[in-house]
Amino acid sequence: ETGVTQSPTHLIKTRGQQVTLRCSSQSGHNTVSWYQQALGQGPQFIFQYYREEENGRGNFPPRFSGLQFPNYSSELNVNALELDDSALYLCASSLSLAGVETQYFGPGTRLLVL
Amino acid sequence: QQQVKQSPQSLIVQKGGISIINCAYENTAFDYFPWYQQFPGKGPALLIAIRPDVSEKKEGRFTISFNKSAKQFSLHIMDSQPGDSATYFCAASGTNAGKSTFGDGTTLTVKP
Repeated sequence: ETGVTQSPTHLIKTRGQQVTLRCSSQSGHNTVSWYQQALGQGPQFIFQYYREEENGRGNFPPRFSGLQFPNYSSELNVNALELDDSALYLCASSLSLAGVETQYFGPGTRLLVL
Repeated sequence: QQQVKQSPQSLIVQKGGISIINCAYENTAFDYFPWYQQFPGKGPALLIAIRPDVSEKKEGRFTISFNKSAKQFSLHIMDSQPGDSATYFCAASGTNAGKSTFGDGTTLTVKP
């Protein structure tokens, strides 16, 4: 086990709704990255948070937003859900010193948008 | 535009055989190349990683071969076991592996 937990494990929403996914990082890790993994594809980088500030974003629209809290837990928020948002959402925590090498992934939250 | 291309999509190997998965990248700014293993219901887990200053790295039964000029790298699993059956992803990044670009994965099945 990586020590990274995510909640909920599964979620069903309808198009247009909003969703919040949660991640609890491994103790002492100051960096969290979120990825979207569509069925049959590799994870796609959404954004990264370092010490509560966004530290880079992938090719995702602004309706994908996040927060990182002082205890290094984090949230991914998605507004105005679309059918294509159905995917496994993964968070990965890491300790950033002189760069980031090892990411520890959580088990993911599977989101289904109907 | 896919920056990391992975092949094959699926692979079936007999127990004891060698599994080989290949990846090619486009961005010459990448300098960290990890491989991840993912079991159903789990997140990816780091298996082995390489930086471009070496051409090969071996950890137990797992070896990465890296060809900087061709912008290709591969994972070799020696003496493949049924427990190795999983999906394998290659990835690439700069100094921040938390912003990795992943391949689309290879589903490996090792038959007893």
